[in-house]
Order: sequence, then structure tokens, then C-alpha cells
Amino acid sequence: EVQLVQSGAEVKKPGESLKISCKASGYSFTSYYIGWVRQLPGKGLEWMGVIPPGDSNTRYSPSFQGQVTISADKSISTAYLQWSSLKASDTAMYYCARPGWNDEYWGQGTLVTVSS
Amino acid sequence: DIVMTQTPLSSPVTLGQPASISCRSSQDLVHPDGDTYLSWLQQRPGQPPRLLIYKISNRFSGVPDRFSGSGAGTDFTLRISRVAAEDVGVYYCMQTTHFPYTFGQGTNLEIK
Repeated sequence: EVQLVQSGAEVKKPGESLKISCKASGYSFTSYYIGWVRQLPGKGLEWMGVIPPGDSNTRYSPSFQGQVTISADKSISTAYLQWSSLKASDTAMYYCARPGWNDEYWGQGTLVTVSS
Repeated sequence: DIVMTQTPLSSPVTLGQPASISCRSSQDLVHPDGDTYLSWLQQRPGQPPRLLIYKISNRFSGVPDRFSGSGAGTDFTLRISRVAAEDVGVYYCMQTTHFPYTFGQGTNLEIK
């Protein structure tokens, strides 16, 4: 059974750094892209970027290029989303997602709250 | 980026009646491998999104057969033959043919 299990909710202050994780199981981690989706409070879904864990050539959506870093550690089947300096506008739910040719799986979401 | 435009953005439906959501892409979604990676997702309140339909018209495992998808090229449709109470939520079309992947704005399905 494919599962994506995300790290827990975070509360941070503006300017702090953060790295959240998504642990994959039930499939060959290096055979599929894995990515991150942002959902601002009360808003729709936005793809942030995807990474092919086999070669780490991350494809960012233009809106998120330079704002976050997506990475993966294939040795532990885990993808990461990282910020070096959080802003209040980063407050959102973040989902990891694994699109496939004939399926797609989602993590449960990580709520990130940035507030002074 | 490919823009995905959904209509309507809100759909009040009577239980047991049909519902339909349209999605139009700004570019053709046929992948070089010949497939079209257009999916439909459902997001119930407080839940992560869930895959309903992949490659235009294929129901994902466990999805009731009252959900169906159709279309080609740039125009796609999700249909619910008889809306049930548990279908309340927001529905998104999504393309994973071209980078960056993109979603429609979402359609809020509510019961009249």
C-alpha cells in the first residue's frame, strides 16, 4: 500500500528556517516524481515543484523558484520542503503528492503557521 | 504555465440529481507518450485531496461509478450521475502533462 506520511504541524516566527518532510512507502521511491502543493487558508491548490528522487533535478513552479528548496533523500525514501527565512505569507497547509501515470497519492498535510 | 479554467466555480445541486464540471486548458494536454495526464481530484472539508479520475476518464480504485470523466485536447468534463451527500466538497482538475503542473481554481459542490 502506497503511503505518504508527513511531519507534524509547525509554528514559527518570521525569519526562522524550517524543513518539513514526507516519508514514502509502498513503492519504488526513485521511480516516480514526488512534489509539494501549497494551500493557503480558504484557497485552492498550487503546485510548488516536483523532484525525481533518482536524479534530484527539481522542477519548480515559477512562483516558488528561489522561495523554497525541494529535496529528497532516496536512502530513506523521504522528500523535503525547506525555507531559509519564513514570512507570514507562508502560513498554509502543505501537502506532498506523488503523481503517477495511472494513480496519484497524497500525504495528510502539514500545517505551517508563521506568526510573530 | 498552462492555465486550467474550471466552470462553474460553485455548483448547488439537489441530492440525487446530476452535476457537471468543465475544465479547459490553455494548451493541448497530450503528452509525447500519447497519453493525456488530466486528473480530477475531490477535496472534502478538512481533508487532503483525493484522486477520482486519471488520464481523462479512468476511475481510480474505490471511486464510485457515479463519477465519470470525458474530453480530449483542451476540454474536459467531470460528471456525477446522481449526487450523494458525501460528494460535498471542492473539485479540482489538474494537469501533469507539462511542467509546471497546474490545477484549476476549484469548483465548490454544495447541496441545495
